[in-house]
Amino acid sequence: DTAVSQTPKYLVTQMGNDKSIKCEQNLGHDTMYWYKQDSKKFLKIMFSYNNKELIINETVPNRFSPKSPDKAHLNLHINSLELGDSAVYFCASSGRGTTEAFFGQGTRLTVV
Amino acid sequence: AQTVTQSQPEMSVQEAETVTLSCTYDTSENNYYLFWYKQPPSRQMILVIRQEAYKQQNATENRFSVNFQKAAKSFSLKISDSQLGDTAMYFCAFIPQGAQKLVFGQGTRLTINP
Repeated sequence: DTAVSQTPKYLVTQMGNDKSIKCEQNLGHDTMYWYKQDSKKFLKIMFSYNNKELIINETVPNRFSPKSPDKAHLNLHINSLELGDSAVYFCASSGRGTTEAFFGQGTRLTVV
Repeated sequence: AQTVTQSQPEMSVQEAETVTLSCTYDTSENNYYLFWYKQPPSRQMILVIRQEAYKQQNATENRFSVNFQKAAKSFSLKISDSQLGDTAMYFCAFIPQGAQKLVFGQGTRLTINP
């Protein structure tokens, strides 16, 4: 059983398109995150949700809109994709009383 | 601002050798947690080891151990008897107690040579 799963694993799209990445966790965790890993492998948080509520928005452009329909899901929708959005996007979750984050397998987004 | 610094962008050792990866961090918090994550070529982020700041004893997980020096704000990872499967990017990460986000270092690319 995959604890944190995100789809798709790979996404190639043209500039200007709108795309979504889905994430689901079956760990019963309250908190979910989106992290972005750039071409230099640097990992930086984008969003954090706790029980479906937005907790952290790290100055991410408005073209990125997370949505949490329930605490097991956190999807990421990106409008008007730009070349600079090319990166690996990781979903993660953590539970009350646990501080480590459990990561999905990542989605490699390539904008051409 | 809380920051994590990994000063070794790349390291390379022979199989079976011991290797130490460095990490320093900057925080004014007293209670926090530190982690080492491994990212192999498969891209998956895998937790290697964690350390609670209030514990003086260094954490160990099989061949992996840490040297946690709270006063110096240093958190190095030692890998003993290195194996080919240890080849990966290694990230040091930090989170204050009660916070909602991990802060990562820049990563160290470790290569184990046969």
